[in-house]
Amino acid sequence: AQTVTQSQPEMSVQEAETVTLSCTYDTSESNYYLFWYKQPPSRQMILVIRQEAYKQQNATENRFSVNFQKAAKSFSLKISDSQLGDTAMYFCAFMTDNAGGTSYGKLTFGQGTILTVHP
Amino acid sequence: GAVVSQHPSRVICKSGTSVKIECRSLDFQATTMFWYRQFPKQSLMLMATSNEGSKATYEQGVEKDKFLINHASLTLSTLTVTSAHPEDSSFYICSAEQEPSQETQYFGPGTRLLVL
Repeated sequence: AQTVTQSQPEMSVQEAETVTLSCTYDTSESNYYLFWYKQPPSRQMILVIRQEAYKQQNATENRFSVNFQKAAKSFSLKISDSQLGDTAMYFCAFMTDNAGGTSYGKLTFGQGTILTVHP
Repeated sequence: GAVVSQHPSRVICKSGTSVKIECRSLDFQATTMFWYRQFPKQSLMLMATSNEGSKATYEQGVEKDKFLINHASLTLSTLTVTSAHPEDSSFYICSAEQEPSQETQYFGPGTRLLVL
């Protein structure tokens, strides 16, 4: 079974600054996907960024980028130029790419990190 | 992007009654949908996988007779909480896979259930 750990229950950052959210995971799979989801106060889950494990290049989406360290099983999210609208709970998630496994297509979420951006 | 809706957005019911929550994929077909439960400031817990035209697959510890799932069409899955009790009060979220990319899931806005 896969596990995802987010060790930072809460983080805060000043507007326009940079913040990094940590995530580690444990799996015996070699092919998988990693995700960061954002859940603002509205509670709508929003996909922030996705990383395929077979890709060495770190994914980037505008102000959001990841540091994917496959050997260390680490997948951190960096938010640059933080904005007030980035205030939300952030979830790291794992999905196996093993189509023959019982976990195929299922997301395993970390505990979440509440990020507050201060003006 | 793909849109998933849920109805109702919030519901209050009396203990012992049943409540049905609908999850619809509005602009794509989804043979697989997922149902999650979330307590305040906690993570999402997968309850079951809803498969169009077949029985749902429940996660360990989830009572299948309590949480009935029906996936009768490629755009609709329903979750019925039967004989609801106060401990069933929670936030229920569905997601749908947009094929052929099974790794891409889109989430509904959630349903807040309060059982009195």
